Amino acid sequence: GQNIDQPTEMTATEGAIVQINCTYQTSGFNGLFWYQQHAGEAPTFLSYNVLDGLEEKGRFSSFLSRSKGYSYLLLKELQMKDSASYLCAAYRGSTLGRLYFGRGTQLTVWP
Amino acid sequence: DTEVTQTPKHLVMGMTNKKSLKCEQHMGHRAMYWYKQKAKKPPELMFVYSYEKLSINESVPSRFSPECPNSSLLNLHLHALQPEDSALYLCASSPQTDGEGEEKQFFGPGTRLTVL
Repeated sequence: GQNIDQPTEMTATEGAIVQINCTYQTSGFNGLFWYQQHAGEAPTFLSYNVLDGLEEKGRFSSFLSRSKGYSYLLLKELQMKDSASYLCAAYRGSTLGRLYFGRGTQLTVWP
Repeated sequence: DTEVTQTPKHLVMGMTNKKSLKCEQHMGHRAMYWYKQKAKKPPELMFVYSYEKLSINESVPSRFSPECPNSSLLNLHLHALQPEDSALYLCASSPQTDGEGEEKQFFGPGTRLTVL
């Protein structure tokens, strides 16, 4: 089955660095997505990891270890606007791919 | 055009009403999805269309009826809903073609549905 686990809530201050972890157990795993979702809005794509290692995109980086079933999203130089829910989603691709979402981590950034 | 649009943004309906949610994308994507999201919960997959054919129905009650008139449009017809069906309904699309990046799903802004 699919078992995606991430912390429910995290807090940090402006300018800080925060790491949001995600562990997964999924059969037929192909890759790991991170989405950002502000309250009442649609999820927006942040990153997609297929291979092991770290991928950096500006202030956001994402890491994947397939052997450990583990990923993290690293947010640097936090800003107030980064307060949002961060969704980890495992992708299983076959003839038709689908996403399995974790519960989401609600990040609050304080001034 | 790199966005998914959804109408209406908000919908309030009674339990005896019939209404429809609409979703449109012009990115040439061949897979389209309906998700339901309750507050503080992750999106739950409802239906997937691939090349205009229904590929996945996650045991959704028949009061929700999807329709894919063409490759750019996806509808969700609602009838005899219950108050617990109140939620944010998200549409998404993905390329579903061979090649890198076909897995990425692009989400629309959602329709906030309230059933009275």
